[in-house]
Amino acid sequence: EAGVTQSPTHLIKTRGQQATLRCSPISGHTSVYWYQQALGLGLQFLLWYDEGEERNRGNFPPRFSGRQFPNYSSELNVNALELEDSALYLCASSFQGRPYNEQFFGPGTRLTVL
Amino acid sequence: GQQLNQSPQSMFIQEGEDVSMNCTSSSIFNTWLWYKQDPGEGPVLLIALYKAGELTSNGRLTAQFGITRKDSFLNISASIPSDVGIYFCAGTPSNDYKLSFGAGTTVTVRA
Repeated sequence: EAGVTQSPTHLIKTRGQQATLRCSPISGHTSVYWYQQALGLGLQFLLWYDEGEERNRGNFPPRFSGRQFPNYSSELNVNALELEDSALYLCASSFQGRPYNEQFFGPGTRLTVL
Repeated sequence: GQQLNQSPQSMFIQEGEDVSMNCTSSSIFNTWLWYKQDPGEGPVLLIALYKAGELTSNGRLTAQFGITRKDSFLNISASIPSDVGIYFCAGTPSNDYKLSFGAGTTVTVRA
């Protein structure tokens, strides 16, 4: 069974640009979660999508947004990039949209903002 | 989300040693999960716990859901070099539905 996949692996942008990150969940999983992990830090919850709807978001500004498609894949968009947005962005998926179900992570997208 | 206190923050261990790390919360949790993250990769789920007192093993790893439901422990027996990485605890409090993560324990093995 294929795991969670993310693309691209690495992304380099300049300040002020927009970044789009993509995630495909494990087959059968309906929930997708996005986390930000700055260098040397823990995981900060960004967004939770289930059945195409945004269910919850973490303490991040509105320039962090996303969506979930009918096939349950998801996009994370970061507008007006700032230097401190440089981080590893992790996507996770789980079954049935219940957050306390086990979340399975993808390999991440390393975003570098210059 | 709920704050989880994970300790120790880091540890250097000798190959072959048994080691322990733990995670505590000020409130009751319904679920405890343990993940391991290798450098530059996503966290991998090691063990999931759903009942107070539950003790679950995965190879050389053993985790326990504390009786008070406010803590969890992860033990690694007979450490080997590939145990290097960051171990995260995660859990869902009884009064919330979001998964909260600890800050991680960085494990380095001395050969």
